[in-house]
Amino acid sequence: DAGVIQSPRHEVTEMGQEVTLRCKPISGHDYLFWYRQTMMRGLELLIYFNNNVPIDDSGMPEDRFSAKMPNASFSTLKIQPSEPRDSAVYFCASSLGGAAEETQYFGPGTRLLVL
Amino acid sequence: AQKITQTQPGMFVQEKEAVTLDCTYDTSDQSYGLFWYKQPSSGEMIFLIYQGSYDEQNATEGRYSLNFQKARKSANLVISASQLGDSAMYFCAMREPRDDSWGKLQFGAGTQVVVTP
Repeated sequence: DAGVIQSPRHEVTEMGQEVTLRCKPISGHDYLFWYRQTMMRGLELLIYFNNNVPIDDSGMPEDRFSAKMPNASFSTLKIQPSEPRDSAVYFCASSLGGAAEETQYFGPGTRLLVL
Repeated sequence: AQKITQTQPGMFVQEKEAVTLDCTYDTSDQSYGLFWYKQPSSGEMIFLIYQGSYDEQNATEGRYSLNFQKARKSANLVISASQLGDSAMYFCAMREPRDDSWGKLQFGAGTQVVVTP
């Protein structure tokens, strides 16, 4: 079975440009999560969806960040305009359900570098 | 306040030896879930093991076991018979119920493990 798919795997862009990260969750998984990993802040949840509906976006840093899930098999995280401090690894994860024991399976991540 | 504390930033372990990675957590909920993930140098996050707060038995998955001490709010990961491929960063994480939802995983800072021949 395919795991969580993210694209692109690497992105280098210049400050001020729009960046769009893409995620395809595992088929049948109802929950989708976007995380960001930096040396300074570690792994932090940005937003998560249940059945395509955003449930908690309290981790989204600011209005420059937006996330959508137009259908069960696709989600995007957009940064506009991008800034150097957005440089990080962005992970998408999905889980079958929302119960305590439900494992979140992570994608390979997108390494973003904003110059 | 820090929810997950991993006090060991890094450690060396010899091949074939066992290693214990410490994790303490902070919650006022009676019901919660604890996870361990492995992140090798390639960057992906790999799920290792899960322990529910009501589970009376310590979780085990192959060479991984979780030493769960609820009263001490401790969920240490034990890796038995270390292999070179175990060299990675290890993260402890917790999930708590919020507003009828269990979505959010909160991660510790991680412990870097290096297995030496």
